[in-house]
Amino acid sequence: DGGITQSPKYLFRKEGQNVTLSCEQNLNHDAMYWYRQDPGQGLRLIYYSQIVNDFQKGDIAEGYSVSREKKESFPLTVTSAQKNPTAFYLCASSVGLAGGETQYFGPGTRLLVL
Amino acid sequence: AQKVTQAQTEISVVEKEDVTLDCVYETRDTTYYLFWYKQPPSGELVFLIRRNSFDEQNEISGRYSWNFQKSTSSFNFTITASQVVDSAVYFCALSEALDLAAGNKLTFGGGTRVLVKP
Repeated sequence: DGGITQSPKYLFRKEGQNVTLSCEQNLNHDAMYWYRQDPGQGLRLIYYSQIVNDFQKGDIAEGYSVSREKKESFPLTVTSAQKNPTAFYLCASSVGLAGGETQYFGPGTRLLVL
Repeated sequence: AQKVTQAQTEISVVEKEDVTLDCVYETRDTTYYLFWYKQPPSGELVFLIRRNSFDEQNEISGRYSWNFQKSTSSFNFTITASQVVDSAVYFCALSEALDLAAGNKLTFGGGTRVLVKP
């Protein structure tokens, strides 16, 4: 069964702590993305990656970092520099990075600050 | 800059009623793609449709239909004979194909919450 998995489903962060959200896909897609969704709002792009070891900042990259060591995996780290991290985080992938490629989404991770 | 507006924040209907969700977009590109996604209470975004700017033909898929009008920059979505399972937030999104620096960025509208009551 091809798809995108994200873990954990819920994540709690303490002040000053870095936390990492996992995203894995077995669709053999080249491109992967991270979005943030705040309550009652649309999604905003944090980072995206076209190939292994390459990634680009999106609209709201400050306070976040990513890596792409494997094609299947694109973890997102929410650093202590992100002052308002409480949100719903969605990972997506697409065949390629050409404009208009359909993006498919994972089930999301809800991050809460203690 | 690209922008997507979904003016309706919430729509409430009774089961079997039709419901139309509005989507208005802004772009300077001549080649672009429009999408609709469904976000049920579980949170995952489910892809519904992709339409390119050169194809203005309306599309029907079961109880879902889409009306694309370039003249008014609109891509509206209608659910016919709504069911309780249609209750969700629906997002319209835009991707500009010619802006290579954008990297297939999707610009989302704010979403429309649809509540279908039995």
